[in-house]
Amino acid sequence: SQQGEEDPQALSIQEGENATMNCSYKTSINNLQWYRQNSGRGLVHLILIRSNEREKHSGRLRVTLDTSKKSSSLLITASRAADTASYFCAREGPGANNLFFGTGTRLTVIP
Amino acid sequence: EAGVAQSPRYKIIEKRQSVAFWCNPISGHATLYWYQQILGQGPKLLIQFQNNGVVDDSQLPKDRFSAERLKGVDSTLKIQPAKLEDSAVYLCASSIQGSSGKLFFGSGTQLSVL
Repeated sequence: SQQGEEDPQALSIQEGENATMNCSYKTSINNLQWYRQNSGRGLVHLILIRSNEREKHSGRLRVTLDTSKKSSSLLITASRAADTASYFCAREGPGANNLFFGTGTRLTVIP
Repeated sequence: EAGVAQSPRYKIIEKRQSVAFWCNPISGHATLYWYQQILGQGPKLLIQFQNNGVVDDSQLPKDRFSAERLKGVDSTLKIQPAKLEDSAVYLCASSIQGSSGKLFFGSGTQLSVL
């Protein structure tokens, strides 16, 4: 299966703390993307990192990619209650035209 | 810019009944996707269109699911007959390029099969 795993499945932190979520996959990729999903809503694209990149930043988000370990991490700094959501990584493989999503991490930020 | 529109928002049916979902992608987006998201899981691709042609439908249960995208714009996904295990959120997404690009998702249709 091309689907990987997010770790942890659930994470609960206090507002202001940093949140780190990990994503592992099994096959080679063209790029890896992170999405956020608020309860009862569709997914929103956060950031895309290509296979030849190692780190990328967007506002309070920092994504790293280690292709040798087939893993990625998403760091949200100075978390806010509004960051409460599920976060999914999605992998696009070579020659593929679509994304394969992981199982997600449910983040709860306590005010 | 208007987002991806989906309807209905919720649908409750009994098993063996039929149901249809509608999606209108963002204007100018050539690629359209239908995903199935079962509670507690990540989205699973059902079918991908490039304009009005099917790019990938390898995970679509073709004995009961069908989808079309006439004129390369809006799309419908149909289930006939529905099974209990079809209870899920059906998400439509669109993108400009179809690969190496971000997807824009609609809010989804939540289907409950009783």
